[in-house]
Parts: sequence; C-alpha cells; structure tokens
Amino acid sequence: DTGVSQDPRHKITKRGQNVTFRCDPISEHNRLYWYRQTLGQGPEFLTYFQNEAQLEKSRLLSDRFSAERPKGSFSTLEIQRTEQGDSAMYLCASRGSTADTQYFGPGTRLTVL
Amino acid sequence: AQKVTQAQTEISVVEKEDVTLDCVYETRDTTYYLFWYKQPPSGELVFLIRRNSFDEQNEISGRYSWNFQKSTSSFNFTITASQVVDSAVYFCALSEGLKGDEKLTFGTGTRLTIIP
Repeated sequence: DTGVSQDPRHKITKRGQNVTFRCDPISEHNRLYWYRQTLGQGPEFLTYFQNEAQLEKSRLLSDRFSAERPKGSFSTLEIQRTEQGDSAMYLCASRGSTADTQYFGPGTRLTVL
Repeated sequence: AQKVTQAQTEISVVEKEDVTLDCVYETRDTTYYLFWYKQPPSGELVFLIRRNSFDEQNEISGRYSWNFQKSTSSFNFTITASQVVDSAVYFCALSEGLKGDEKLTFGTGTRLTIIP
C-alpha cells in the first residue's frame, strides 16, 4: 500500500483568503479523519468520514471550515476567510475495517500572515 | 469526557540508557483503546502500538515495551538501550468505543532527546 498523501505540503496565505487542502487515503480505507496540530500540542480531532458520510464534527470546526469526501475516496478541507489562529499543521489519517489503527499522512502546514 | 495526560514535556537521556515515558488517561467507557505514536523531526506520525482495555498484558517489541495498568489508568512506554534514532516526540492517544475506530484523543506529547 502507498501511504496517505496530502497536498500541498506547505501553504502560506494572507489573512482573509480561502484555502483548500486535499487528502488521498490509503486505497480501500473507508474511514478518513482530519486533525489539526499546533506547535507543542498533540493533534486535535476535527472531523471524520465513513465512506462519503461525515459522521462527526468537532466543535473546533467553526462554520468557516468545511470538509467533503464526495466519492468516498479523497477528501478536501476548506478554510474560508483564514485567520492567523488557523496557522497549524493539518493532518489527515485513514483506516480500513481490518486495520489496527489510523495511518497518518505527512500533513499540510498552513501559515496565515 | 476522554483525556490523556503526558506530564513529561521533555526528557533527555544519554544514549544506551533506558527511558520511560508516562501516559495517564481518563475515560468513562469500559471499552477503549490506547495507542502510542512517534513523531520524528520529519513530522509524520508513526504508529507504534495499540492496546484494548480488556488486555492488560504487557507487550515487548524489540527495545520497546509497554506497561498497561487499568488500576492506575496508565499506559507507560519504555525504551531500553536508547539510540539517537529514538529522538522524537512521542504521543499517547485514546479512542473510546467497541471498535477503536473513533476519533483519537492525544496527549500533549513528550519530546525525547537521546544524547550521543
């Protein structure tokens, strides 16, 4: 299996701009998760999908954030009207029904100026 | 609510010493899973182990061992004969529920530095 991939790896944007990140899970993994990690902290759960259904959203996911997984394969996370507080590493993970755990991608590092 | 506490923010040891990373968790569920992940400088989280709440057997994998004690809600991780390649941030995590495929709640991590 190739691992979880995320694109872009780095994104620098100005406050107020919209950004979109993409995650490609491990092939055949039906569950896909998004987390956010700020400096010196552990990853914090944002949302997760089983196939194309979004099953849970954290309260961290304000109305400026939206995630989709339209065909149950790749997923996108969009942040509208970015704020400096959105600067973080955005991690994607996937898991199959027989897997031991969630497998993480390399992350997208967002810097909002 | 579930919570994971890693009280040790940073640890430094000289190469070949043994080191133990502490993890204490809180959950109301009787069925849950505990995990350890390693995050090297490259940033990608690497899965190390999963343990379910019904299995309190300690586990050893090479130089790594894990001690799970429900009585103290702890899931500690020991590295024996540490090596420079062990330098990383280590996270303990908890997942509630029967299948362990729900969201992970992570601790704040312990930064381990192995001094050559």
